[in-house]
Amino acid sequence: GAVVSQHPSRVICKSGTSVKIECRSLDFQATTMFWYRQFPKQSLMLMATSNEGSKATYEQGVEKDKFLINHASLTLSTLTVTSAHPEDSSFYICSARILRALDPYEQYFGPGTRLTVT
Amino acid sequence: QQQVKQSPQSLIVQKGGISIINCAYENTAFDYFPWYQQFPGKGPALLIAIRPDVSEKKEGRFTISFNKSAKQFSLHIMDSQPGDSATYFCAAKRQAGTALIFGKGTTLSVSS
Repeated sequence: GAVVSQHPSRVICKSGTSVKIECRSLDFQATTMFWYRQFPKQSLMLMATSNEGSKATYEQGVEKDKFLINHASLTLSTLTVTSAHPEDSSFYICSARILRALDPYEQYFGPGTRLTVT
Repeated sequence: QQQVKQSPQSLIVQKGGISIINCAYENTAFDYFPWYQQFPGKGPALLIAIRPDVSEKKEGRFTISFNKSAKQFSLHIMDSQPGDSATYFCAAKRQAGTALIFGKGTTLSVSS
């Protein structure tokens, strides 16, 4: 089956520093990757959509200069949280859509990355 | 504007019972309606999905009922088990390349 991995699974960083989260599709090429943020006991909120080789499209209210997304290849997308603050502490989840999928609608989710900013 | 409304927020069901979670959507352009299951600290996993050209889809103990005219769809979990205790999210999308829009989630507890 389609597997999406994220690294790291959890990270603690100091306020003001930057942290990079990787999202990889392990056994397929992903035409599109999506980044979501989930606060405790809340739903998944879409942050941005990224297509390989092009700039990410950010949702309204998401600061593109703070949440840098790079989709350098068909198997890797990265989210960098710059100048992190405690309010950025959250569960970040990526998902991917398979290139040439049997079901083009299906999205496969990674296991998430727990970010804690102290 | 919340495009997918989910209810109830929480649900307690006895083992062996039927769990029912409902969702309503507003955008008639939506054409894909999945349900996801999420355990604490994990990413969501696809349970079952339906397209608007069918009114019901069943996979094992999980059934989606879809009412296009009412813009509603629901998840039924038959013979609910303690292992089904998790948070369930309905979602929708309007095109294959776009992102899923999620409901707020339902926390299901199945008591033994």
